[in-house]
Amino acid sequence: NFMLTQPHSVSESPGKTVTISCTRSSGSIASNYVQWYQQRPGSSPTTVIYRDHQRPSGVPDRFSGSIDSSSNSASLTISGLKTEDEADYYCQSYDSSSWVFGGGTKLTVL
Amino acid sequence: QLQVHESGPGLVKPSETLSLTCTVSGGSISSSSYYWGWIRQPPGKGLEWIGSIYYSGSTDYNPSLKSRVTISLDTSRNQFSLRLSSVTAADTAVYYCARLSSRSSPFDYWGQGTLVTVSS
Repeated sequence: NFMLTQPHSVSESPGKTVTISCTRSSGSIASNYVQWYQQRPGSSPTTVIYRDHQRPSGVPDRFSGSIDSSSNSASLTISGLKTEDEADYYCQSYDSSSWVFGGGTKLTVL
Repeated sequence: QLQVHESGPGLVKPSETLSLTCTVSGGSISSSSYYWGWIRQPPGKGLEWIGSIYYSGSTDYNPSLKSRVTISLDTSRNQFSLRLSSVTAADTAVYYCARLSSRSSPFDYWGQGTLVTVSS
């Protein structure tokens, strides 16, 4: 099966823009949709991006998703960072009867 | 509004079987083409998919856990369950149940999670 690799942590200042990558180890990133989840401490994950770039209702348009076939990766971009965006973020995809999560990225907004 | 809720023992002894139940409310577990899944998260670590079951009863399991995992439906109680055999301390985690609309959709409804500790 495949793996999804994320940076362990990223940090940025309020008001700035940050991008979190998610690289697929084998197979094409474009072959199956990528989802992104936000998890705050002590809470269950919630979806911030689904099907590569779709935003659920209630998620601010500061959150955007994309995929890049040349690097075989997906990206979550958060613009106009707020302190409330500080959380762990996970990418997830599906292939060959398996759902796979990335290792997660801790976003610090300082 | 759909809700899912995990329940089961919080402490399991090594080599024994972990058993958890997910109760679904606000919708029928068998009424539509949904998948129901189990995900776990060891303390301070990331999310790991354990397995999923389709409303028809067909299952998919994480290859790394497949030999020890069983997921089943109880449509009469609107529940689905997880059994993980021969547990070790490495199976200590918060266990979540969740719903998927399709294989390409996100896990959209999550339970609050239940901590299971494996210890003698």
